Amino acid sequence: DVLMTQTPVSLPVSLGGQVSISCRSSQSLVHSDGNTYLHWYLQKPGQSPQLLIYRVSNRFSGVPDRFSGSGSGTDFTLKISRVEPEDLGVYYCLQSTHFPPTFGGGTKLELK
Amino acid sequence: EVQLVESGGGLVQPGRSLKLSCAASGFTFSNYGMAWVRQTPTKGLEWVASISTGGGNTYYRDSVKGRFTISRDNAKNTQYLQMDSLRSEDTATYYCARHGATPFAYWGQGTLVTVSS
Repeated sequence: DVLMTQTPVSLPVSLGGQVSISCRSSQSLVHSDGNTYLHWYLQKPGQSPQLLIYRVSNRFSGVPDRFSGSGSGTDFTLKISRVEPEDLGVYYCLQSTHFPPTFGGGTKLELK
Repeated sequence: EVQLVESGGGLVQPGRSLKLSCAASGFTFSNYGMAWVRQTPTKGLEWVASISTGGGNTYYRDSVKGRFTISRDNAKNTQYLQMDSLRSEDTATYYCARHGATPFAYWGQGTLVTVSS
């Protein structure tokens, strides 16, 4: 299975600040169809995960432009600018290029 | 609004069976592939199984293959996860999820399955 490694595990932030979360895969996520199937989710406290970004850099419906995704191959980044209280929680990356789909271990975004 | 509501979780002894249901609303159920994803504090999020729109194609993670069966009833807008020969390591919160332009575009609230004697 493809191993997804997220860093850091915990990320203290001040409201209004900017943060980056890294996600690295054990093998390239470029599919034979040319697409890269790397996605980002946020799980707020007490809630189920919600999709934020799909295929590296596409914001899902309703996701504010404070969230941006980038990267290629095996190295990906989620950037959050102007952090708001509703952004706190655990962020997960997911790869679905290779079977089975696999998640990263999560990065907890919390207040300093 | 897309809604996915799981039910059927609970406490079950090792080796016994349990069947989860997921009632869908707010979209045309028969147009979307569906999945089950589970979460534990130690292993995190794990994809469990997926099913195609018509139910003809199913996919499982290795650790549940032969023990779990995913199915769907498009007339009832419901998907299921039949879990047999349950093990302690199957203890988790199980989420129903809908595929879309991406896997797991929408999630239910989850149902807790505890396998213990």
